Amino acid sequence: DSGVTQTPKHLITATGQRVTLRCSPRSGDLSVYWYQQSLDQGLQFLIQYYNGEERAKGNILERFSAQQFPDLHSELNLSSLELGDSALYFCASSVGAVPNYGYTFGSGTRLTVV
Amino acid sequence: QQPVQSPQAVILREGEDAVINCSSSKALYSVHWYRQKHGEAPVFLMILLKGGEQKGHDKISASFNEKKQQSSLYLTASQLSYSGTYFCGAISSGSARQLTFGSGTQLTVLP
Repeated sequence: DSGVTQTPKHLITATGQRVTLRCSPRSGDLSVYWYQQSLDQGLQFLIQYYNGEERAKGNILERFSAQQFPDLHSELNLSSLELGDSALYFCASSVGAVPNYGYTFGSGTRLTVV
Repeated sequence: QQPVQSPQAVILREGEDAVINCSSSKALYSVHWYRQKHGEAPVFLMILLKGGEQKGHDKISASFNEKKQQSSLYLTASQLSYSGTYFCGAISSGSARQLTFGSGTQLTVLP
């Protein structure tokens, strides 16, 4: 157990639907990062939150949004889902705003859009 | 901009050595290395900071050439457990300090 908790582990949903992925960072970590991993794209950075505030944005679609709550857990909302959104979504956490001690990844949520 | 990793895939016999390279077109602040086994989360191996020294961890070590914006991961006397996909991640010396991953190197160690 890495200490980063992601739920659910698997999600199957239809095109056009909306889903919410949840992440609880490792105790003491203030930063949460979201990554998308699909077969042909590797690990694509989506967004980072640090202590409740958005800190950096990557290739996140407008249909996707995220937030970090006062207890530091984070949610990634994916709406108007398309087949191409099927992927493994990882959350990672680090102590500071810049990951000078590396990331700890959660076990991921596998999203399948049918 | 994504760092470039090479080779894309390596097949070794147990006990052999391997080197995985990672290069960037941007000035780097730090380089991270992670290993991901199939169906699992990436696991942090080590970080090399600008101005830092070569890091090591058992028989896996890495170097960072700041002038060339390159890092190399060295796996010595490979074990079966080393199999997996190795990703380098680079943070550029800019204000954003985002970690961008390379496309990965698939390492297979055969008995």
